[in-house]
Amino acid sequence: QVQLVQSGAEVKKPGASVTVSCKTSGYNFRNYGITWVRQAPGQGLEWMGYIRVYNGNTHDAEKFQGRVTMTTDTSTRTAYMELRNLRSDDTAVYYCAKGKHMYDATGGMDVWGQGTTVIVSS
Amino acid sequence: DIQMTQSPSSVSASVGDRVTITCRASQGISRWLAWYQQKPGNAPRLLIYSASNLQSGVPARFSGSGSETDFTLTISSLQPEDFATYYCQQGDTFPLTFGGGTKVEIK
Repeated sequence: QVQLVQSGAEVKKPGASVTVSCKTSGYNFRNYGITWVRQAPGQGLEWMGYIRVYNGNTHDAEKFQGRVTMTTDTSTRTAYMELRNLRSDDTAVYYCAKGKHMYDATGGMDVWGQGTTVIVSS
Repeated sequence: DIQMTQSPSSVSASVGDRVTITCRASQGISRWLAWYQQKPGNAPRLLIYSASNLQSGVPARFSGSGSETDFTLTISSLQPEDFATYYCQQGDTFPLTFGGGTKVEIK
């Protein structure tokens, strides 16, 4: 079955960087995009960005521009999200999710990773 | 950016009730609207995609409708496992955006 398994929880100091990985299985990795979403404690869902795996093109939310990098490794079917210059308000659960539709993000996300907790604290 | 406004932000209902949640987009998004259910401590779960298509494995008591700017999610007969928070999300234009969520609570 389709699975997305994320890396474990992280505790970082302000100004540091974090990389969250998302290892996929059970589907053709190249054909579906990966979306990254985060959720701060007690808050709603916040879209961070999207990567088209087949060509590496990315779209990210303006508030993260310059701080976030999304990549994929097709040899290991793994997606990565790096967030730099962490601040305390980056404390959140970070999710990766597979696109419902091939090649685009119109159909939402049908399979989600389990989430990775990132705590930013001095 | 396209703003997604959900209402109500919370609703109290009883088992067996019909519950309707609305989602309004700040500009037309055709039918590129998805609905998710999230329970505490869990990842979101896709319920509806393309405004009205039921995701595989989702009970038929969930339904979606609408187009362009106005959308609804309906739970025809609320079950105990349906108490959760529901989010809409537009997939028409980057940046993709979520609604603020609707918490369905036990009355």
